[in-house]
Amino acid sequence: DAMVIQNPRYQVTQFGKPVTLSCSQTLNHNVMYWYQQKSSQAPKLLFHYYDKDFNNEADTPDNFQSRRPNTSFCFLDIRSPGLGDAAMYLCATSRGQGGPIRTEAFFGQGTRLTVV
Amino acid sequence: AQSVTQLDSQVPVFEEAPVELRCNYSSSVSVYLFWYVQYPNQGLQLLLKYLSGSTLVKGINGFEAEFNKSQTSFHLRKPSVHISDTAEYFCAVSDSNDMRFGAGTRLTVKP
Repeated sequence: DAMVIQNPRYQVTQFGKPVTLSCSQTLNHNVMYWYQQKSSQAPKLLFHYYDKDFNNEADTPDNFQSRRPNTSFCFLDIRSPGLGDAAMYLCATSRGQGGPIRTEAFFGQGTRLTVV
Repeated sequence: AQSVTQLDSQVPVFEEAPVELRCNYSSSVSVYLFWYVQYPNQGLQLLLKYLSGSTLVKGINGFEAEFNKSQTSFHLRKPSVHISDTAEYFCAVSDSNDMRFGAGTRLTVKP
């Protein structure tokens, strides 16, 4: 089945040690998103790619970076994780239809990041 | 920019009772509205969406929602809930560039 896959499902990292979360999709969608979701809160958009165009939210910390080497893959890099970065990280895709993003987003299962 | 308000953070209900989860939005442009469900330690799954056309939208698992432009609402309903409907429910709005979520409503179905 076509889907959005996030690896790993659970990631434990040390305080200050760089960590990378990965997302792949077989939907051939041109838009990919990264959301951060803390316990009992709504997903918060960190950034998204429209094809290769990177769109950073104004309040996304510089500690968070992203790469999209091709249509299928997108990575979230956290350069120096702090305790406050512990959260569920959700990757999502949408079709984008060549213009405004209006179709629904398809989500992966998420990666739960623990910082120790 | 658009925003979403989910009026109830928690909704407890008995099994087989009806339920309504409320959602209001604000936007200066035409919007597209969605309801997602999230089970523990899972991603979000689409329940239903409103893009255009009929204001009453039917989704999976027996859920439906009604788009009300004058009241800027998109409330989610189900006539008879099951224990398995216990989850977090998110209302979301999308306009030209991205998707924003409400704070979520925790639906707890009790036997």
